[in-house]
Amino acid sequence: QVTLKESGPALVKPTQTLTLTCTFSGFSLSTSGMRASWIRQPPGKALEWLARIDWDDDKFYSTSLKTRLTISKDTSKNQVVLTMTNMDPVDTATYYCARSQWEPHYFDYWGQGTLVTVSS
Amino acid sequence: SSELTQDPAVSVALGQTVRITCQGDSLRSYYASWYQQKPGQAPVLVIYGKNNRPSGIPDRFSGSSSGNTASLTITGAQAEDEADYYCNSRDSSGNHLEVVFGGGTKLTVL
Repeated sequence: QVTLKESGPALVKPTQTLTLTCTFSGFSLSTSGMRASWIRQPPGKALEWLARIDWDDDKFYSTSLKTRLTISKDTSKNQVVLTMTNMDPVDTATYYCARSQWEPHYFDYWGQGTLVTVSS
Repeated sequence: SSELTQDPAVSVALGQTVRITCQGDSLRSYYASWYQQKPGQAPVLVIYGKNNRPSGIPDRFSGSSSGNTASLTITGAQAEDEADYYCNSRDSSGNHLEVVFGGGTKLTVL
């Protein structure tokens, strides 16, 4: 059974750095073809893909946010970590982690999401 | 980066057929995948590839593609199908390894 769960602060202040952790089970990110992405959704708005890390440790970022994002994985802990620097109120959103296999945009399993509010 | 365009809202009478479309240049190169999202819940994959349904997705959901347009069809819409639907694809600009989502379509079942 594949599960993913996001964790991190519910509230961050403007200019702070956000660190989110996705803890998953039921698969290994060291298995060929496995990929894990972060996707966010501001309240009432559309989904936005942020970043992905692959089984071979390749990393990819949204062009519009790449200067602020870092993604990493700890295969032994079954975790993927996303950091986003210089947070702004417009970054207020529910942040999801999701798994894909081979084809990077077929997200077959998602976490429940975690709401992050950016406010002073 | 590439863009995917969806109609903001679509309605369908209970039991009727509805098509939700997604347009974008990247769809000439890549199949879309489709996600259903109900209020307060995470998205759920309903269609991927040429026309594949994950286990547990009813067969009233189907997908198709032509040119720069991908479509999600619900044949015999049920009340529980009322939700937001998102398409996505690889971004065909740049290195083709980024992902882009459409703006979403809110489906109302009347």
